[in-house]
Amino acid sequence: GAVVSQHPSRVICKSGTSVKIECRSLDFQATTMFWYRQFPKQSLMLMATSNEGSKATYEQGVEKDKFLINHASLTLSTLTVTSAHPEDSSFYICSARAAGTGNQPQHFGDGTRLSIL
Amino acid sequence: EDQVTQSPEALRLQEGESSSLNCSYTVSGLRGLFWYRQDPGKGPEFLFTLYSAGEEKEKERLKATLTKKESFLHITAPKPEDSATYLCAVQEGNTGGFKTIFGAGTRLFVKA
Repeated sequence: GAVVSQHPSRVICKSGTSVKIECRSLDFQATTMFWYRQFPKQSLMLMATSNEGSKATYEQGVEKDKFLINHASLTLSTLTVTSAHPEDSSFYICSARAAGTGNQPQHFGDGTRLSIL
Repeated sequence: EDQVTQSPEALRLQEGESSSLNCSYTVSGLRGLFWYRQDPGKGPEFLFTLYSAGEEKEKERLKATLTKKESFLHITAPKPEDSATYLCAVQEGNTGGFKTIFGAGTRLFVKA
């Protein structure tokens, strides 16, 4: 149980392109989803917290107009990197937490490797 | 300030050489401590949740323990396939959003 699917797993595109990444909880309802960025050999950097039906909460320093998050249902959140540039190249990982008392673990997708040429 | 510190940063073991990874935390109102395993190029895989001091969880060669200040992940007779980065995360309970703080991880290398 607790499977999170993230798609696509890898994207290579030209500078200026917008890229959409999907995160789905396959066998549970996720009231909260998280988007992380991870640099090589470093831990997870939280970008934003996404709650179903409401606006995402962005961490300090993360541009909300650059990284658009939509959490339209209890099983799907999307991250759109708008007008991507080479410095946006990174490993993006989503996670989902099941509805409940709040002290549930996050379950992670397998990440998206984004490379901007 | 809430903090999660993992040590060592990297650990090299021979196959069969048991050891422990440490996760020290400073949070107000611990709601849960989580251990994850992350393989290169993959998302973290959930291993354990610990909720209160004295609690222990086991899975195959892994055993997680919790005190009021730290958690240990004990690895008994590790195999090369246990090589991965192990992440510790703590969920604090004093803010309404139940913020989760991740440690930097311990990279484990097990040599055959």
